[in-house]
Amino acid sequence: AQSVSQHNHHVILSEAASLELGCNYSYGGTVNLFWYVQYPGQHLQLLLKYFSGDPLVKGIKGFEAEFIKSKFSFNLRKPSVQWSDTAEYFCAVNRAGGGNKLTFGTGTQLKVEL
Amino acid sequence: GAVVSQHPSWVICKSGTSVKIECRSLDFQATTMFWYRQFPKQSLMLMATSNEGSKATYEQGVEKDKFLINHASLTLSTLTVTSAHPEDSSFYICSASLAGESYEQYFGPGTRLTVT
Repeated sequence: AQSVSQHNHHVILSEAASLELGCNYSYGGTVNLFWYVQYPGQHLQLLLKYFSGDPLVKGIKGFEAEFIKSKFSFNLRKPSVQWSDTAEYFCAVNRAGGGNKLTFGTGTQLKVEL
Repeated sequence: GAVVSQHPSWVICKSGTSVKIECRSLDFQATTMFWYRQFPKQSLMLMATSNEGSKATYEQGVEKDKFLINHASLTLSTLTVTSAHPEDSSFYICSASLAGESYEQYFGPGTRLTVT
């Protein structure tokens, strides 16, 4: 069974600091990769996704992620975080041809301080 | 973007009773809906995949007789927690996939279930 690991459970940053959240998955076949964000009291929203093509994916709100197949990784980055980025971030993986089922990582709680 | 709603947003029920949670795709037709459970400070755990007009596919370890799923139309799926117990207390989240658009899921706001 595939699994998704997010190594940072809690991250605290000051505004304008750079962000990188790690995500690794275990499945060796073709995958589709996602990052979702859950702001306090709100539902999950898609930040960005990778299906194929350019491994550097740009999403909403200045976020980007890079798919490195050799490392089974899909790390999320943002060059300068804002207080409003405080949220929980989930990496998710879908096995191509696996019927749309998502496997989520355990999430990373990001707190951005003023 | 596509909108998914859930009703109710929270519910408290007594042990032994059943409770139904609705998931609706408001502005699109969803061939597939998913039901997740989220424990406090933990990730989402997929419970089942629901396809319109067919029986739901449950993940390993999820009791299909306890968590009844019905997907009667392309815009509505329901999850009924039968004979609820305090350990069923959790946050239940549904998501929906657009017809013809594979892999992207749109999530509902979740339903907080508390069983007393």
